[in-house]
Amino acid sequence: QVLLQESGPRLVKPSETLSLTCTVSGAYSSETTQYWCWIRQPAGKGLEWIGRLDPSGSTSYLSSLKSRVTISLDTSKNQLSLNLRSVTAADTAIYYCARGRRNGDYFDFWGQGTLATVSS
Amino acid sequence: QSALTQPPSASGSPGQSVTISCTGTSSDVGHYDYVSWYQQYPGKAPTLIIYGVNKRPSGVPDRFSGSKSGNTASLTVSGLQAEDEADYYCSSYGGNQDVVFGGGTKLTVL
Repeated sequence: QVLLQESGPRLVKPSETLSLTCTVSGAYSSETTQYWCWIRQPAGKGLEWIGRLDPSGSTSYLSSLKSRVTISLDTSKNQLSLNLRSVTAADTAIYYCARGRRNGDYFDFWGQGTLATVSS
Repeated sequence: QSALTQPPSASGSPGQSVTISCTGTSSDVGHYDYVSWYQQYPGKAPTLIIYGVNKRPSGVPDRFSGSKSGNTASLTVSGLQAEDEADYYCSSYGGNQDVVFGGGTKLTVL
């Protein structure tokens, strides 16, 4: 069973950087059919894919966020990170980390989500 | 990538069947058999119920089925039960290593 747990500051000021961490357990790091991603959901709205990190270390990001976002992985800690720079109120959302699967690009395990609010 | 189009709401009585559509383009839904569906209860994370257009993960009741025709994918819930009342989201691989979601459909069991 793969478990994912998001953590990070719940309140971020406008123009600052939102930094979230996702601790992963139960997944084999050598599994090549999996990758890791971040997905967000503003209150009362739909899901938005933010980006992914492949086992090779390559990343892909939503085009509208590409200039502000970085996803990385600390394999020694089994922690996936999200950094979103220059945030505005529009970035207020529940942020989920999830495991993606190749040959389908579906998300079979999700964290419980963490609400990040951008406000002064 | 533009979001996939889903009806905002759907409803049915217990025991009935309900179908939720998910319309994309020839660059995503119409091009790849990589359509997935997720169920989300209020305050909870989404859970995978369909992947690869019509495959069910272990533990998902066979009342849930998926299909695709052209640029439109569909989720059918047969034998509707009260516990099926939730939000449902479709997603598709969009090429260029990205994924696009639908806007979500709120399913109400009457």
